[in-house]
Amino acid sequence: KAGVTQTPRYLIKTRGQQVTLSCSPISGHRSVSWYQQTPGQGLQFLFEYFSETQRNKGNFPGRFSGRQFSNSRSEMNVSTLELGDSALYLCASSSAAGGGEKLFFGSGTQLSVL
Amino acid sequence: GQQLNQSPQSMFIQEGEDVSMNCTSSSIFNTWLWYKQDPGEGPVLLIALYKAGELTSNGRLTAQFGITRKDSFLNISASIPSDVGIYFCAGAITGGGADGLTFGKGTHLIIQP
Repeated sequence: KAGVTQTPRYLIKTRGQQVTLSCSPISGHRSVSWYQQTPGQGLQFLFEYFSETQRNKGNFPGRFSGRQFSNSRSEMNVSTLELGDSALYLCASSSAAGGGEKLFFGSGTQLSVL
Repeated sequence: GQQLNQSPQSMFIQEGEDVSMNCTSSSIFNTWLWYKQDPGEGPVLLIALYKAGELTSNGRLTAQFGITRKDSFLNISASIPSDVGIYFCAGAITGGGADGLTFGKGTHLIIQP
């Protein structure tokens, strides 16, 4: 069974630009969560989608948004990029409806904002 | 919000040594998870614990769900070079969704030859 796939692996953008990251969950998983990881803050929850609906949202500004498609694939968008948005963005999928505890992570997208 | 204190922050050990790390919380969790992250990769689930007092092994790794439900421990026996990485604990409240999963800041394990 293929794991969680995230694209692209690396991305370099400049301030003010926007970016879209993609995530394909494990086949059969309907829950997709997004996390931001930085050395100083660790893993911080962005949002979770289940069956195309956002179920939970972390404490991030509205510049961070996401969506989930009918095939459970998810995208995350960050608009008006700031230097502080440089981070590893991780997607995780889960089969449990409302569970979310047993998350399986992708390799992440390393975003650098210059 | 919930806080997870993971210690130690980093460990410098010799190959072959045993390793111990732990997480404590101000809140009770229903589930404790332990992940390992290699550089440039996402965290990989090592062990999941679902019951207070539970002791679970995965090869040389052993983790325990504390009786108070506010802590968990991970031990690695006879460390080898590929054990190098960052180990994260995570506590979860069943049914809480992904935002019910709280991560520790990680323990950096460094093995000296």
